[in-house]
Amino acid sequence: QKEVEQNSGPLSVPEGAIASLNCTYSDRGSQSFFWYRQYSGKSPELIMFIYSNGDKEDGRFTAQLNKASQYVSLLIRDSQPSDSATYLCAVNFPRGSNYKLTFGKGTLLTVNP
Amino acid sequence: SAVISQKPSRDICQRGTSLTIQCQVDSQVTMMFWYRQQPGQSLTLIATANQGSEATYESGFVIDKFPISRPNLTFSTLTVSNMSPEDSSIYLCSAPGTGGTDTQYFGPGTRLTVL
Repeated sequence: QKEVEQNSGPLSVPEGAIASLNCTYSDRGSQSFFWYRQYSGKSPELIMFIYSNGDKEDGRFTAQLNKASQYVSLLIRDSQPSDSATYLCAVNFPRGSNYKLTFGKGTLLTVNP
Repeated sequence: SAVISQKPSRDICQRGTSLTIQCQVDSQVTMMFWYRQQPGQSLTLIATANQGSEATYESGFVIDKFPISRPNLTFSTLTVSNMSPEDSSIYLCSAPGTGGTDTQYFGPGTRLTVL
């Protein structure tokens, strides 16, 4: 059973702070890692993907991957109230279809003005 | 990225009836995916819809309950058959993006309520 684990939260941070969201996965052979943002009542929106160990930055977002520890994280700098949403970690497990994603249960982030 | 539309956006249905959800992608894709998101839960993959072949269902989902069509490279339908209140969920379709990555993009979803 392929598993993706996230702290369900809620994670509450003040506006302007750094929000740190974490995710662990069970299959050491996993190759691709994704972060989706889901606003209440909306569908998931892809915000970051990462394939290699280390950091990947895109604007205020940084994805970090450590395959040895089977750990992927998302940092949001200068958090804004508009970042308040559920953040879903997804992992592409290598067996079967290359595109089959397994999602974590998501972390609810609240950014307080 | 991929632009994906779904119809209907929401529906309220009586138990025992069936609903067909349509999904349209703005580019040709080999695979499309159908997910279910139950209230307060994460996404669970129902099946992979392959053009020109039978859909591949995940454990716990069967073709009689969730028949899928994939008539061409931009379109798919998911039918929720013989519905019960437990089928009340958001149903989402997704498709890979262009550019050679294995990213997936989601449609806006169909919110289904079964009474």
